[in-house]
Amino acid sequence: KNEVEQSPQNLTAQEGEFITINCSYSVGISALHWLQQHPGGGIVSLFMLSSGKKKHGRLIATINIQEKHSSLHITASHPRDSAVYICAVKPLRGTASKLTFGTGTRLQVTL
Amino acid sequence: DGGITQSPKYLFRKEGQNVTLSCEQNLNHDAMYWYRQDPGQGLRLIYYSQIVNDFQKGDIAEGYSVSREKKESFPLTVTSAQKNPTAFYLCASKDNVNTGELFFGEGSRLTVL
Repeated sequence: KNEVEQSPQNLTAQEGEFITINCSYSVGISALHWLQQHPGGGIVSLFMLSSGKKKHGRLIATINIQEKHSSLHITASHPRDSAVYICAVKPLRGTASKLTFGTGTRLQVTL
Repeated sequence: DGGITQSPKYLFRKEGQNVTLSCEQNLNHDAMYWYRQDPGQGLRLIYYSQIVNDFQKGDIAEGYSVSREKKESFPLTVTSAQKNPTAFYLCASKDNVNTGELFFGEGSRLTVL
C-alpha cells in the first residue's frame, strides 16, 4: 500500500462544476503539499499546509491531521484547470528533505 | 523573473552514453532536488543538496551522479550504469530544507534509443 493515496485517479468535469480531489496518507506528517502539473510537464506548487484550510482564488485546500486526509477543491471549474494534481507529504520521520508523492489525479474540464 | 531553468527539455541518447541535465535557479535557494517521474508512479527522489558542496542520495540514486559547486546550479548526470534511464526528470528547489514552498522546473524528458 502506498503511503499516499489519491482519488480519483481520473476525473472529467464540465465547466462550472465544483471539483474535489482527495488525498489520504498513512504516516504522521509535518506538512502536505498540493501541486499542479501542466500538460507540458512543469509543476507549480499550489498549497503547503499543516492544519486547517487555505484558499487561493478558486482553489481551496483542507487537511484533517487526525484523519490523515486532505482535499483539494476547485470551485467554478474551467478548462484551464485541466492538469494533473499531485499530493505530497513530508513525513515526521525520515530525512528533512524527503517528500512522499501520490501518483496524481488527472483532471479534464470540458466546455 | 526568479525561477528554475532546466535544459534540455528533450534529450535522446544511445545506450552506453552518459548525459547531463542542467538545472539552474536564481531564487537564492539553499536546497535543490532531482526527481524522476515514470507513468503511473509518484515522483521519486534521486539526489538532493541542502548546501553548496554537499549532496545526499535519495531513494533511487544508483546510476546517477550530481555536483553542487555553485548555489544556483545542480546538474544531474545519467550514467550508462542506469539500466532504465528513459523518464521525465524534474529539478526543484526550496528556500529552507525544513519549511517553504517547492519550486519546480519545466522538466527534461530523456529517451534512450
